[in-house]
Amino acid sequence: EIVMTQSPATLSVSPGERATLSCRASQSVRSNLAWYQQKPGQAPRLLMYGASTRASGLPARFSGSGSETEFTLIISSLQSEDFAVYYCQQYNNWPRTFGQGTKVEI
Amino acid sequence: QVHLVESGGGVVQPGRSLRLSCAASGFIFSNYAMHWVRQAPGKGPEWVAAMWYDDGSNEFYADSVKGRFTISRDNSKNTLFLQMNSLTHGDTAVYYCARPRQPYLDTGLAHWGQGTLVTVSS
Repeated sequence: EIVMTQSPATLSVSPGERATLSCRASQSVRSNLAWYQQKPGQAPRLLMYGASTRASGLPARFSGSGSETEFTLIISSLQSEDFAVYYCQQYNNWPRTFGQGTKVEI
Repeated sequence: QVHLVESGGGVVQPGRSLRLSCAASGFIFSNYAMHWVRQAPGKGPEWVAAMWYDDGSNEFYADSVKGRFTISRDNSKNTLFLQMNSLTHGDTAVYYCARPRQPYLDTGLAHWGQGTLVTVSS
């Protein structure tokens, strides 16, 4: 199975700052990569698919990039509602696999 | 709007079985692949299983559940199932059903239920 590795595990930032989250796949997943945001007590929310396409309604401060094995999610100016845990997931191969997450905290 | 409602969770002893259901509404269920994803307390999501939209010809499982769990669907009742056998403590989690963004494709899970908690405990 493809192993997804996210870094860092925790990212401490201030509101208004830029956050850069990384996700690495153990083998190529082409651009079949999604990002999710999860807040306590809620189901994950799809943010990005195709590595760089924002889901409906997602603010433009979120951007995704990368292909093959290296991916990045950037939040350009953190708002209070962005503090959460972020997961990447590949949907190129079965079984689908998630990364272990990056917690974005103040 | 899309609505997914899981049920069937509860407390079960190790080695026993449980069957989860996911009632879907607000979309043409038979046109979508459907997934089960679980999340153990304090952990990240773990993909569990998926079934393709064509009613059973393609099923996929995580290695951790292969041979113990079976995914199925009843397109006439807009319902997804997960039969879980030989449960272990490691299966304790909130189980979500989830739907991809688009019909006929699997391009990110855009819709999730509220989850149902399965606790395996003696």
